[in-house]
Amino acid sequence: EVKLLESGGGLVQPGGSMRLSCAASGFTFTDFYMNWIRQPAGKAPEWLGFIRNKANGYTTEYNPSVKGRFTISRDNTQNMLYLQMNTLRAEDTATYYCARGGMNYWGQGVMVTVSS
Amino acid sequence: EIVLTQSPTTMAASPGEKVTITCRASSSVSYMHWFQQKSGTSPKPWIYDTSKLASGVPDRFSGSGSGTSYSLTISSMEAEDAATYYCLQRSSYPLTFGSGTKLEIK
Repeated sequence: EVKLLESGGGLVQPGGSMRLSCAASGFTFTDFYMNWIRQPAGKAPEWLGFIRNKANGYTTEYNPSVKGRFTISRDNTQNMLYLQMNTLRAEDTATYYCARGGMNYWGQGVMVTVSS
Repeated sequence: EIVLTQSPTTMAASPGEKVTITCRASSSVSYMHWFQQKSGTSPKPWIYDTSKLASGVPDRFSGSGSGTSYSLTISSMEAEDAATYYCLQRSSYPLTFGSGTKLEIK
């Protein structure tokens, strides 16, 4: 069974940093692209970016809205996906999800609140 | 960036009623994908590659379209179909979602 479990969310001050994690299980992790998506309360999801699979060299693509501030990485020995978020702003407040490949599996999400 | 415009934004349908939700793209896309989301839960894949139903999706749902115009149709509304539906394009970076259609049961 495919499982994705995000962690690491919480409250952070504006200008601060936070790293989210996503633990993956139930599939061959290196075979799949992995995405990060966020969704502010009551709004549509926003794709943040993905990291490609082994066959495609684990390269990354980002939404211009977060490029330069957010970094996606993966630890293929631990089946972990990461989202490093820097210089956080109030508008980054949202539920953050990891999703596999074509977004056919999603985690339950983790809440990030940016506030002083 | 390809902007996806969904209509209507909200709607209510009676049990048994036919429902159509549209998603218009600002530029042509190869396929459209749809997600269903209920309050407090993650979006669920619902229709992929324009017209293929995800696992477990009832066959009263269908998807169609091409180019810049796509739609999700429910042939006969049921109470369990009340949710918010989002379209997604993966043809061009950044991947973009529509703004959503909230579907309620009358």
